[in-house]
Amino acid sequence: GESVGLHLPTLSVQEGDNSIINCAYSNSASDYFIWYKQESGKGPQFIIDIRSNMDKRQGQRVTVLLNKTVKHLSLQIAATQPGDSAVYFCAENSGGSNYKLTFGKGTLLTVNP
Amino acid sequence: DAMVIQNPRYQVTQFGKPVTLSCSQTLNHNVMYWYQQKSSQAPKLLFHYYDKDFNNEADTPDNFQSRRPNTSFCFLDIRSPGLGDAAMYLCATSNMRGLAGGLLADTQYFGPGTRLTVL
Repeated sequence: GESVGLHLPTLSVQEGDNSIINCAYSNSASDYFIWYKQESGKGPQFIIDIRSNMDKRQGQRVTVLLNKTVKHLSLQIAATQPGDSAVYFCAENSGGSNYKLTFGKGTLLTVNP
Repeated sequence: DAMVIQNPRYQVTQFGKPVTLSCSQTLNHNVMYWYQQKSSQAPKLLFHYYDKDFNNEADTPDNFQSRRPNTSFCFLDIRSPGLGDAAMYLCATSNMRGLAGGLLADTQYFGPGTRLTVL
């Protein structure tokens, strides 16, 4: 569903460690999922997407895992760097909508040097 | 480079004074979206255009209007801004692709946003 909270979940990691950001999505009919990175004062930036006919997809330093059974999505970032510090949002295509995305609450990732 | 552009990046207006935010895209995408994002919250969809067809979200206040004069441009008009309308306004685009069996949802690409302040 939509995010309504004022307090973002946070994840703090050391530079070089791997990061895992989790997301529980709301609608079992959703079949397209996206991870966005949003730095302070900027628009969301596309990272990686996955469709429901897959359970894993890899990009450069990032992997998305999809578990449809428990409606869970995760983003793994390998060798996390200070430039990865941002808020990360998962988004689902609202019950299979062709047009709409429903965003998760967001997770603030802080990378310590 | 193909991109989504928003102008201005920062907009200050007075309570009740109409304001227009602008979005343009060089991606030639057929869908354009406007989102409102408040601090520490996820983007909230206000409305979208699929080509020239306007689609309003049920909970979008009448105070918010939009225009899409052509494929490249889309405007957000706030007729009488209130203090609660202070937020980041994000424009996004996507390309609906027709495949056998229907349309396929695709990635939405966001602009940098316009930060609106209401005094």
